[in-house]
Amino acid sequence: EIVLTQSPATLSLSPGERATLSCRASQSVSSSFLAWYQHKPGQAPRLLIYGASSRATGVPDRFSGSGYGTDFTFTISRLEPEDFAVYYCQNYGSSQTFGQGTKVEIK
Amino acid sequence: EVQLVQSGAEVKKPGDSLKISCKASGYSFTTSWIAWVRQMPGKGLEWMGIIYPRDSDTRYSPSFQGQVTISADKSITTAYLQWSSLKASDTAMYYCARLMFPGYYYNAMDVWGQGTTVTVSS
Repeated sequence: EIVLTQSPATLSLSPGERATLSCRASQSVSSSFLAWYQHKPGQAPRLLIYGASSRATGVPDRFSGSGYGTDFTFTISRLEPEDFAVYYCQNYGSSQTFGQGTKVEIK
Repeated sequence: EVQLVQSGAEVKKPGDSLKISCKASGYSFTTSWIAWVRQMPGKGLEWMGIIYPRDSDTRYSPSFQGQVTISADKSITTAYLQWSSLKASDTAMYYCARLMFPGYYYNAMDVWGQGTTVTVSS
């Protein structure tokens, strides 16, 4: 099973700042089968990025993903008030696993 | 509109059985995989398993194999997650989610149900 380790656990930032989240895999993720989700309390998770770098339908371009192999990065270029949430990476290749999440909180 | 609508919150006792549902609409139910995801209180997301409604091909995470059963009824475009004997540790929010590209197992989840809260307490 591929283990995904996200860092940092919590990111304290102000609106307008840049957020950079990391997701490291214990072994190479096949064909960049790596997704990023946003999860807010009381809501269902929302797909933001799939294939490591492709934005899902309707996702603003301030959200971006990059990386391959074992190291992936998710970036929010300028934080909007509605972006404060927990973000999960997910490997959807041969073993389907989530990272433990990164909470992006208001500083 | 593509939607997954889940059944309502459940409160059960240890040892009870339970079946929760996920009603799909707005797309071809038989051609997209449906997954179930657990979130225990204060914890992260866990992938439980997945079903392809066309032929009921079902796969489970090793952590959930033998603990739950995933099924689907094509005639009413509904997927299910069931337990034969609940434990207090099954207390969690459960989400169903559709995989985004029809027919492909290796796929992100683009449409999610609203979640079903299951509470197991004596």
